[in-house]
Amino acid sequence: TQLLEQSPQFLSIQEGENLTVYCNSSSVFSSLQWYRQEPGEGPVLLVTVVTGGEVKKLKRLTFQFGDARKDSSLHITAAQPGDTGLYLCAGAMVETSYDKVIFGPGTSLSVIP
Amino acid sequence: DSGVTQTPKHLITATGQRVTLRCSPRSGDLSVYWYQQSLDQGLQFLIQYYNGEERAKGNILERFSAQQFPDLHSELNLSSLELGDSALYFCASSVEGGSNEQFFGPGTRLTVL
Repeated sequence: TQLLEQSPQFLSIQEGENLTVYCNSSSVFSSLQWYRQEPGEGPVLLVTVVTGGEVKKLKRLTFQFGDARKDSSLHITAAQPGDTGLYLCAGAMVETSYDKVIFGPGTSLSVIP
Repeated sequence: DSGVTQTPKHLITATGQRVTLRCSPRSGDLSVYWYQQSLDQGLQFLIQYYNGEERAKGNILERFSAQQFPDLHSELNLSSLELGDSALYFCASSVEGGSNEQFFGPGTRLTVL
């Protein structure tokens, strides 16, 4: 069974704190995406990582793809209330002639002012 | 704004009824995905179409069906509705091939009474 796990499931922190959320699988991915979803809205793509060991930065967000392309992490520095939302990772794996994308269950982040 | 449109935004109906949800992908995107999201299930992949053809099936019930038309818009038909079908239904589109990045619409909130 192809499965993406995310941890922690819920996270509540004070504004200004740092945090890291994780996305793990036993499967190898050709690429991995991170999305943020706010209540009642559709997920919004944040970043795509493709190469094992790759690190990408988006302002205060740092994304890392594991060397074996089975896991990823998202680190947020000095969290702001605007960072509140559900963070979803999605992994793409080769399925015959196309890539199959699976989503993790998400980490729900709440940043308290 | 992702460029993906979904109608209607809200839908309230009764058990046993049938509804149709509509999605227009981003200009140039050939692939359309449908997802169901409820509080206790997370984002569940239902079905994917690519250029009018069904490409992948997820956890889609037999009471549900979808199609993608020549102009690439897609419809998701839900029939014999049950209380448990109440959820947010998202459509996403992608260029297909390459990075597997999906762009989500705003969703349709379905309430079955």
